[in-house]
Amino acid sequence: QVQLQQWGAGLLKPSETLSLTCAVYGGSFSGYYWSWIRQPPGKGLEWIGEINHSGSTNYNPSLKSRVTISVDTSKNQFSLKLSSVTAADTAVYYCARGRKYYDILTGYYNRAPFDYWGQGTLVTVSS
Amino acid sequence: EIVLTQSPGTLSLSPGERATLSCRASQSVSSSYLAWYQQKPGQAPRLLIYGASSRATGIPDRFSGSGSGTDFTLTISRLEPEDFAVYYCQQYGSSPEGTFGQGTKVEIK
Repeated sequence: QVQLQQWGAGLLKPSETLSLTCAVYGGSFSGYYWSWIRQPPGKGLEWIGEINHSGSTNYNPSLKSRVTISVDTSKNQFSLKLSSVTAADTAVYYCARGRKYYDILTGYYNRAPFDYWGQGTLVTVSS
Repeated sequence: EIVLTQSPGTLSLSPGERATLSCRASQSVSSSYLAWYQQKPGQAPRLLIYGASSRATGIPDRFSGSGSGTDFTLTISRLEPEDFAVYYCQQYGSSPEGTFGQGTKVEIK
């Protein structure tokens, strides 16, 4: 059974850098891309970006200039950094498995939904 | 960028009734890479349907998905008390953003 456990600072001041980490337990870490998704209070879901075990990343263009996602394969962990936060970045941040998996038969990555999620971390940006 | 529009915004129904939720895409969703998620207050979203019509592991068969191209539907055949929640569609195909719809809230009438 795959489990994702995430942690990080929950209260930031404007202009600081948000930092969250997600640990993956069970399943194949190297066979998937791993994503960060956020949800402002009372609003919908926004995909932030993704990374695979070799460090290949894709980011949402709307956040790309401020986002860095990194991976530590020795610990099966991946991390999110979002710089220069403002109140608009206040949200619950989730880590999740997806949007791609490695197909051994074809040698290519195929698309995959977000099938496992972390518990979520509320990050509040306030002066 | 593919934009997903869900309707209605809120659906007021009674337990035992049938729920039909719609998700319309601004462009064709490649290979039916369309998923549906259920989210309850204070919880992470849960994957219900992927590939437009395949149920995820452990999802009851009262949940079904259909559609292709730009029009997709999630149907809950008979609402159980635990089904009252917010439902999101998401496309995970060609667009890099992996966009979500804005959600449909299914509430108790």
